[in-house]
Amino acid sequence: QVQLVQSGAEVKKPGSSVKVSCKASGGTFSSYAISWVRQAPGQGLEWMGGIIPIFGTANYAQKFQGRVTITADESTSTAYMELSSLRSEDTAVYYCARDQGYVDTAMARYYYYGMDVWGQGTTVTVSS
Amino acid sequence: EIVLTQSPGTLSLSPGERATLSCRASQSVSSSYLAWYQQKPGQAPRLLIYGASSRATGIPDRFSGSGSGTDFTLTISRLEPEDFAVYYCQQYGSSPLTFGPGTKVDIK
Repeated sequence: QVQLVQSGAEVKKPGSSVKVSCKASGGTFSSYAISWVRQAPGQGLEWMGGIIPIFGTANYAQKFQGRVTITADESTSTAYMELSSLRSEDTAVYYCARDQGYVDTAMARYYYYGMDVWGQGTTVTVSS
Repeated sequence: EIVLTQSPGTLSLSPGERATLSCRASQSVSSSYLAWYQQKPGQAPRLLIYGASSRATGIPDRFSGSGSGTDFTLTISRLEPEDFAVYYCQQYGSSPLTFGPGTKVDIK
C-alpha cells in the first residue's frame, strides 16, 4: 500500500522560497507520475505541475513557469516542489499526488489514469 | 488549456436521494481521460472515477461516471451520509491537467 508523506507546515516571508518534500513508501516510486496540486483557503484544486521520476523531466502549468521547480530523487523515493518569489496569494495547502498510470518504456510515454494516492498536505503560509 | 465547468455549484439533497453532477469541457477530452474526486473538509481529495466511467479501487458501486467528448456526469444513486462533500472533475488528457471548480453536495 503506497503512502505519500509530506513535510511539515511552513511560514514564509513574501519574496522568499519554500521547498516541500513528498516521500513515498510501500511501493514503486520511479514508474508513476507525481503531481503537485495546491488549494488556497476556501478554493478549488489547482495543478501546478508534475514529474515522472523514471523520465526525470518535469512539466509545469503555465501559471507557475519560472517560479516552480519539481524534482524527484529515486534513491530516496522523494519528490520535491520548490516555489520561489512567494506572495500572499501562494498561501495554500500543497498536496503531492501519485497517478495510477503506467510507463511505456518502448514509446517513452506515460499513460495517466488519475491520482489515486495523495499526501496529507502541507500548509504554506506567506505573511510579512 | 482545457477549461472545465461544473454544475450546479451546490446541490442540496437528502440522504437516499439521487445526485447528478455535471462537468463540461471547453474542448474534447481525449480518450475520455476524465476523473472525479471527492473531498471532505480538512482531507485530501479521493479518486472516485477515472477514464470517465471506471470506479477506483474500493469505491462503492453507488458511484458511477459517464460521458465522453465534452460532457461528463457523476451519479450517486442513493446518497449516504458520508457522501456529502465537494466533488471535482479533472481532465488528464492534455497538459496542463485541469480541475473543475467543484460541486458541493450538502444536506437539504
